[in-house]
Amino acid sequence: GAVVSQHPSRVICKSGTSVKIECRSLDFQATTMFWYRQFPKQSLMLMATSNEGSKATYEQGVEKDKFLINHASLTLSTLTVTSAHPEDSSFYICSAPAGVTNQPQHFGDGTRLSIL
Amino acid sequence: AQSVTQLDSQVPVFEEAPVELRCNYSSSVSVYLFWYVQYPNQGLQLLLKYLSGSTLVKGINGFEAEFNKSQTSFHLRKPSVHISDTAEYFCAVSAFGNTGNQFYFGTGTSLTVIP
Repeated sequence: GAVVSQHPSRVICKSGTSVKIECRSLDFQATTMFWYRQFPKQSLMLMATSNEGSKATYEQGVEKDKFLINHASLTLSTLTVTSAHPEDSSFYICSAPAGVTNQPQHFGDGTRLSIL
Repeated sequence: AQSVTQLDSQVPVFEEAPVELRCNYSSSVSVYLFWYVQYPNQGLQLLLKYLSGSTLVKGINGFEAEFNKSQTSFHLRKPSVHISDTAEYFCAVSAFGNTGNQFYFGTGTSLTVIP
């Protein structure tokens, strides 16, 4: 069964709306979670590393004020796309490490965000 | 830094035929290697991984991959594909000793199995 739950799976909203995406680790604690963005027919691009109890670490070129990340607990990280615009439309995926360095990450099922 | 190159963006293959999806990596340090599969509008599912030991790694759904250090490759193979194998496949690398668990993904290979 799924070990990382991502919600919602699909969001369609108007331009200017803020959208929150949740990523939960099931049956294990995740002090670190990762947020990826995937454009159609392209690979996953790491956006940021979410750290429980401290600020997220953003990759170069990712707007911190646009993509707000909050690691509220050891099992929950949220990504909020603020004032979303059509160019923010994409597939967003979260992941959580299994707990051991360099072990495979567990991925959520992704969120398809469509901004009209 | 590490990088991953998947040489084929699209691979069509007939059902029950063998397939090989190519992956090459670049790194100045030892790495761990992974293959993931992604079905439409879904997240990634781990197929197999190489961490250490035997260079021939067997994964789920009949897939296997061989780590070749001299050629810096980690090609994915399956002797006989099924329609259900149609999906996007991603090769990924993580540096040895990387406590951040940061993965670098290839651009993906779209496998289409033709009936």
